[in-house]
Amino acid sequence: KAGVTQTPRYLIKTRGQQVTLSCSPISGHRSVSWYQQTPGQGLQFLFEYFSETQRNKGNFPGRFSGRQFSNSRSEMNVSTLELGDSALYLCASSARSDGISYEQYFGPGTRLTVT
Amino acid sequence: AQTVTQSQPEMSVQEAETVTLSCTYDTSESDYYLFWYKQPPSRQMILVIRQEAYKQQNATENRFSVNFQKAAKSFSLKISDSQLGDAAMYFCAYRGYGGATNKLIFGTGTLLAVQP
Repeated sequence: KAGVTQTPRYLIKTRGQQVTLSCSPISGHRSVSWYQQTPGQGLQFLFEYFSETQRNKGNFPGRFSGRQFSNSRSEMNVSTLELGDSALYLCASSARSDGISYEQYFGPGTRLTVT
Repeated sequence: AQTVTQSQPEMSVQEAETVTLSCTYDTSESDYYLFWYKQPPSRQMILVIRQEAYKQQNATENRFSVNFQKAAKSFSLKISDSQLGDAAMYFCAYRGYGGATNKLIFGTGTLLAVQP
């Protein structure tokens, strides 16, 4: 199976702009989660989608949003970019199955630099 | 709220030797999962090993094993016969069992260097 793919891999934006990142999960995986990784804050959970519904959301401002499509692909959007949004954004997918242990498989990440 | 603590920011081990990375966590839940992830310089997170809290037996994956002490809320990772390819950042992570979420709570990571 192909792994989790994220596009683009690298992105440079200017303060005030908006950005959209894309994540395609492993085939058959219906749950997609997003994480932000920075040197200062470490790995922080952004949000999770399952069957096109947001199931959980981390403590991030409303400038961060996401969605999931019927084919399980997910996008996250950051509006009005700030310098502090510079980070590695990781997407992870899992084969969600109630009551059964499972793991999350991560994509290679999108490195966002805000100047 | 659950928290995960990794008290060793950096560790170093000689090739072929054994190293143990520490992790403690805090939770009021009785059922949960614990994970160790590896993040090499390529930045892609790779699952190393997982442990279900309801299992008393410590998980083992080839050269990687854990020491899970539920009462002490401790979850350490032992890497045996260390190889150069083991050099990476290692993250301990917690996930609750219920609550309809896959949310992972990560520790701050331990950077492991392997000396030839």
